[in-house]
Amino acid sequence: AQSVSQHNHHVILSEAASLELGCNYSYGGTVNLFWYVQYPGQHLQLLLKYFSGDPLVKGIKGFEAEFIKSKFSFNLRKPSVQWSDTAEYFCAVNAPTGAVGGNEKLTFGTGTRLTIIP
Amino acid sequence: KAGVTQTPRYLIKTRGQQVTLSCSPISGHRSVSWYQQTPGQGLQFLFEYFSETQRNKGNFPGRFSGRQFSNSRSEMNVSTLELGDSALYLCASSWHYGAMDGYTFGSGTRLTVV
Repeated sequence: AQSVSQHNHHVILSEAASLELGCNYSYGGTVNLFWYVQYPGQHLQLLLKYFSGDPLVKGIKGFEAEFIKSKFSFNLRKPSVQWSDTAEYFCAVNAPTGAVGGNEKLTFGTGTRLTIIP
Repeated sequence: KAGVTQTPRYLIKTRGQQVTLSCSPISGHRSVSWYQQTPGQGLQFLFEYFSETQRNKGNFPGRFSGRQFSNSRSEMNVSTLELGDSALYLCASSWHYGAMDGYTFGSGTRLTVV
C-alpha cells in the first residue's frame, strides 16, 4: 500500500517569497498524485493532479508541482506567494485501478500549514 | 452545480450513543468516499462506495459503517461512540471510483463526543 510524507508541518513566508512544499510518497508502482488546499473555514479543494505525461503539472492560482519518479517526490511550488495563499496544503496519492499491490483509496499526507505574512 | 452537501454541520453526542451522518454527492457522481480528519492524524480514509457497493475500506473498527443508496447519497454510522471519535468527517464524491478524476469534498460534519 502507499503512504505519503509531508515533512514541513508549518511554513511561514512573507508575501512575494517563493514557495516549495515537500511531498514524498512510498509505493513502487504507478501512482496518481494530487495536491489539495484547505483555506480557513473552507472545504478541501483540488489544486492540481498528475496521472501521466509531462511531470511538470500546472494547477490553479499559479501553483505547479513536479513529479520526480526517481525521488518519489511531488513537490508543490509557487514563485511568488500572496497573503491569500494562507491555508493548509495536503499531498495525496493513490494507485490506479488494477495496480498490483496498490490501493485505489486516496491516501493523504498530514498536511502543511502555510502562513503568509503581509 | 450544487456541491457536495453534508448534514448536519455540527453534532454533539454522548459516549455510547450512535450517530448517522449524511452526504449528498454532486449530481451524476457515483462514487462517495468518507474521511475522518483530526489535528493529529490528518485525513484518514474510512470507506468508498460506488454504485451502492463498498469498494474500499480503511482501517477503522466495525463500529464505523456506511451505505450508499440508489441515488448515490451516502450515510455513515458510528455506533457506541468514544471520545476519540470526535473529529471532522468529510465526504467526497467523484465520477469514478478511486479518485481517478479527483474528489470534490463537502464542508464536513464536525462531531464532538462528550
